[in-house]
Amino acid sequence: GQNIDQPTEMTATEGAIVQINCTYQTSGFNGLFWYQQHAGEAPTFLSYNVLDGLEEKGRFSSFLSRSKGYSYLLLKELQMKDSASYLCAVMGSNYQLIWGAGTKLIIKP
Amino acid sequence: GAVVSQHPSRVICKSGTSVKIECRSLDFQATTMFWYRQFPKQSLMLMATSNEGSKATYEQGVEKDKFLINHASLTLSTLTVTSAHPEDSSFYICSARSPDRDSGELFFGEGSRLTVL
Repeated sequence: GQNIDQPTEMTATEGAIVQINCTYQTSGFNGLFWYQQHAGEAPTFLSYNVLDGLEEKGRFSSFLSRSKGYSYLLLKELQMKDSASYLCAVMGSNYQLIWGAGTKLIIKP
Repeated sequence: GAVVSQHPSRVICKSGTSVKIECRSLDFQATTMFWYRQFPKQSLMLMATSNEGSKATYEQGVEKDKFLINHASLTLSTLTVTSAHPEDSSFYICSARSPDRDSGELFFGEGSRLTVL
């Protein structure tokens, strides 16, 4: 079967760093995505990895290891507005996205 | 960047009526659009893949006659919830794939919150 696993909830402190992990097992792989979703809103794109390694984009970085079926999203200098759900999604062999259940990130002052 | 617009953002209807939700790609042509449903505190659930000029592909467990999808043009897909019931109340979101095939990025509409009384 196909599945995407990520923690249900994480808590971090404003100004700190947090890493959200995602492991996957899918039939086929055409890239891994991270999306941010605030409550009641549609997801917004954060990153896309298709090759192994780290992609850095401002305060956010995403890492991929295809051999391990593993990715993480790294958020630095956390701000209160970063409180949201973070969705990991894998594009399978048919180019459709397979979604994780999302990680709710709570930022405390 | 590419933008996807969804309308209406909120709709309240009586049980038994039908509701149509539109999804438009504003500055690019989308041969494929996706329709999702999201329950509170849960991830997106793919309902169907909308293909321009042909029938939509529905995911297992999604009723085709209940959720009618029409992709009449390269910039418009519609989802019609027929004979809506309270259990159909949910957040419906559409998306379209970026024209840049290499990026694979999906652009999402704003979402439509349906409440069936």
